[in-house]
Amino acid sequence: GEDVEQSLFLSVREGDSSVINCTYTDSSSTYLYWYKQEPGAGLQLLTYIFSNMDMKQDQRLTVLLNKKDKHLSLRIADTQTGDSAIYFCAERGDYGQNFVFGPGTRLSVLP
Amino acid sequence: ETGVTQSPTHLIKTRGQQVTLRCSSQSGHNTVSWYQQALGQGPQFIFQYYREEENGRGNFPPRFSGLQFPNYSSELNVNALELDDSALYLCASSQSLTGSTDTQYFGPGTRLTVL
Repeated sequence: GEDVEQSLFLSVREGDSSVINCTYTDSSSTYLYWYKQEPGAGLQLLTYIFSNMDMKQDQRLTVLLNKKDKHLSLRIADTQTGDSAIYFCAERGDYGQNFVFGPGTRLSVLP
Repeated sequence: ETGVTQSPTHLIKTRGQQVTLRCSSQSGHNTVSWYQQALGQGPQFIFQYYREEENGRGNFPPRFSGLQFPNYSSELNVNALELDDSALYLCASSQSLTGSTDTQYFGPGTRLTVL
């Protein structure tokens, strides 16, 4: 079955860049996703990347995809305290549209 | 355009009871998926409904069941509650269009506590 792995914690200083990494197992994934979850809230879609792309940029967010290594990363430029949250990487699962999520990376932004 | 809504926001039940959670999908979406998110973990897929039929199921026992209605809203029912069922239950809706990103939009979740 599918498996998605992420490092659990990341701390950065305000204004620095954050890089959150993810590895996945399903090479047939068409799209890969990043979601953000703030305390007590549901998941907010941040961005996604199509599997035939290497990079996607969306304002402060840059997604890099290495299909050969099945490695996905999310870079947040000029990280702000409001970026403190848990970030989930997800790939599409076997049942069509269900997603397989990683365990989440808790990003702490220090002033 | 309204987003995905869920009710109730919080719920406390005791072991052995039954619970029903509700979800209204985003306008124009005909597919609803349910996820269980235990504390400190990523969401785990429970099942998905497409046009009122179950369209896939994760590794959850039969006491987890669901319904989807003609307006594409959905219910998650859990019978014989166990302590380990305590979690945040997330509903997500999506459009089922060929070639779409199949992006799922999540509701705020229902926090279930089983005592």
